[in-house]
Amino acid sequence: EVQLVESGGGLVQPGRSLKLSCLASGFTFSNYGMNWIRQAPGKGLEWVASISSSSSYIYYADTVKGRFTISRDNAKNTLYLQMTSLRSEDTALYYCARRMGPYYYVMDAWGQGASVTVSS
Amino acid sequence: DIVMTQSPSSLAVSAGETVTINCKSSQSLLSSGNQKNYLAWYQQKPGQSPKLLIYLASTRESGVPDRFIGSGSGTDFTLTISSVQAEDLADYYCQQHYSYPLTFGSGTKLEIK
Repeated sequence: EVQLVESGGGLVQPGRSLKLSCLASGFTFSNYGMNWIRQAPGKGLEWVASISSSSSYIYYADTVKGRFTISRDNAKNTLYLQMTSLRSEDTALYYCARRMGPYYYVMDAWGQGASVTVSS
Repeated sequence: DIVMTQSPSSLAVSAGETVTINCKSSQSLLSSGNQKNYLAWYQQKPGQSPKLLIYLASTRESGVPDRFIGSGSGTDFTLTISSVQAEDLADYYCQQHYSYPLTFGSGTKLEIK
């Protein structure tokens, strides 16, 4: 069974940093691209960042570019999102999601999410 | 960036009825190379993570009931749910998977009367 378990969320002050992790199991992690998608309270889905299976290709939404860094450790089956210079508008539930395959940029497996609240 | 416009934002139907949700993209999602449309639909039930229903506009993900039907081409797409059931209560989102940045529609809340 494919499982994605996010951790590292919490309450953080504006301007500070936070690092999310996503532990993958039930599939060969190193074969799949991965994504972070967020959902602000009561709002829709917003794609945040993507990373290819070998970390060769990385993409960011303009809203986080220069502040967030996506990375992965295939030996540890873990995806990361380093978030810096956090703003109140970054408050959201952050989902880790697996990319379906090499050809399609769709997410076929999602974690339960890590809650990030940016507030003083 | 490709802007995805979804309508309606919400709708309420009785069980057994057919529902249609629309999604329009600001540019064509049809690939000239393979003639495929790069549009996906997700379902998010209350308190749950999103679930992939359909990709390539009309290809159902494994295990998705056949009452969920995706259609459309170019810039106009539709998710049809035939014979709606109580368990279909959810938010539905379209997403273009044509190019980065990936973008979602604003969502459609489906309520069951």
